[in-house]
Amino acid sequence: KAGVTQTPRYLIKTRGQQVTLSCSPISGHRSVSWYQQTPGQGLQFLFEYFSETQRNKGNFPGRFSGRQFSNSRSEMNVSTLELGDSALYLCASSPGWGGVGFNEQFFGPGTRLTVL
Amino acid sequence: EDKVVQSPLSLVVHEGDTVTLNCSYEVTNFRSLLWYKQEKKAPTFLFMLTSSGIEKKSGRLSSILDKKELFSILNITATQTGDSAVYLCAVALDSGAGSYQLTFGKGTKLSVIP
Repeated sequence: KAGVTQTPRYLIKTRGQQVTLSCSPISGHRSVSWYQQTPGQGLQFLFEYFSETQRNKGNFPGRFSGRQFSNSRSEMNVSTLELGDSALYLCASSPGWGGVGFNEQFFGPGTRLTVL
Repeated sequence: EDKVVQSPLSLVVHEGDTVTLNCSYEVTNFRSLLWYKQEKKAPTFLFMLTSSGIEKKSGRLSSILDKKELFSILNITATQTGDSAVYLCAVALDSGAGSYQLTFGKGTKLSVIP
């Protein structure tokens, strides 16, 4: 079974630009979560999508947005980039439905975004 | 505010040593606690713990959760250089409607010296 894929793997942008990152979850998984990882703040939750609907959102400004398509692929967009947006952006997929406990999340390799 | 605290932040040991990594949490709507290993890429899943006192084991790694005292430990015995990584603790919070989110600690960087 193929794992979570993210594209592109590396990206360099300048302040003020916008960027779109893509994530393809494991086949059959319907939930996609996005995280930002920086040396100072660690891994922080951005948002989660399930069946094309945003189910949950972290404490990030409105410049960060996302969407999910009918095939469960997801994109996140960051507008008006700031230097502080430089980070590793990780996407994680899981089956998405409930049950006793919790479904583990499988992470993709990440997109390394550098804002100059 | 939900909080997950890992200690120590970094650790240097020699091959063959046994290490214990700590994770304490103060959160609302706790659902489970997870451990991940992160080398130079994506975090890889190690354990998920939902019940107190039940040890989970995988080879040289083991972990246990104490829901009364709100902490978990990850033990690694007979460490090898391949164990060098950042170990992340995350708590899954139930956000309702079948949704959840992971709140991560800052991680413990383990370096194993030959």
